[in-house]
Amino acid sequence: AQSVTQLDSQVPVFEEAPVELRCNYSSSVSVYLFWYVQYPNQGLQLLLKYLSGSTLVESINGFEAEFNKSQTSFHLRKPSVHISDTAEYFCAVSLASNTGKLIFGQGTTLQVKP
Amino acid sequence: EAGVAQSPRYKIIEKRQSVAFWCNPISGHATLYWYQQILGQGPKLLIQFQNNGVVDDSQLPKDRFSAERLKGVDSTLKIQPAKLEDSAVYLCASSSPAGTGAIQYFGAGTRLSVL
Repeated sequence: AQSVTQLDSQVPVFEEAPVELRCNYSSSVSVYLFWYVQYPNQGLQLLLKYLSGSTLVESINGFEAEFNKSQTSFHLRKPSVHISDTAEYFCAVSLASNTGKLIFGQGTTLQVKP
Repeated sequence: EAGVAQSPRYKIIEKRQSVAFWCNPISGHATLYWYQQILGQGPKLLIQFQNNGVVDDSQLPKDRFSAERLKGVDSTLKIQPAKLEDSAVYLCASSSPAGTGAIQYFGAGTRLSVL
């Protein structure tokens, strides 16, 4: 069975500092990888995804994630965070041969402090 | 374009009562998902529709949960009777095209409290 583990439930960080949110997955078959963000009282929004090709993927607001097949990881990074990045972040996988069902990690709350 | 609409936003009921949630996906999206998000956990898929047919309902507690998408557009998720452990946020998502890699667009969710 597939599973996703987000290693940190909460990550406090000061504004303009770098941050890394860790995600590891377990699967015996090929997967697609996603990061979703959930702002307070809003639905989940796609931040970025990896389907194939370059293992480094970027979002429009400065986040990036790197797919590491040997370590089965898809960590999310940003070199300088803003107060507005405060949100919950979910890592998810979808089997490459499946119907699109997403399997989510437990989520990481990013708290950006001034 | 309009996003995924869900109602109500909040619902409080007592155990053993019934409740229904409504979802209107993005226009033209053939695939619709219902997820359950318990506090402190990630969303878990309950059921997936492709048009008005069920693709995956393997994690739907069928003794109390039911869902339908009669005309391949709106969907309703029902719980009858509710239990305390059903307290959660129920998220609806839609995508097009269907299948792996497709972006799922989520509604704001319905927060259910069972007392």
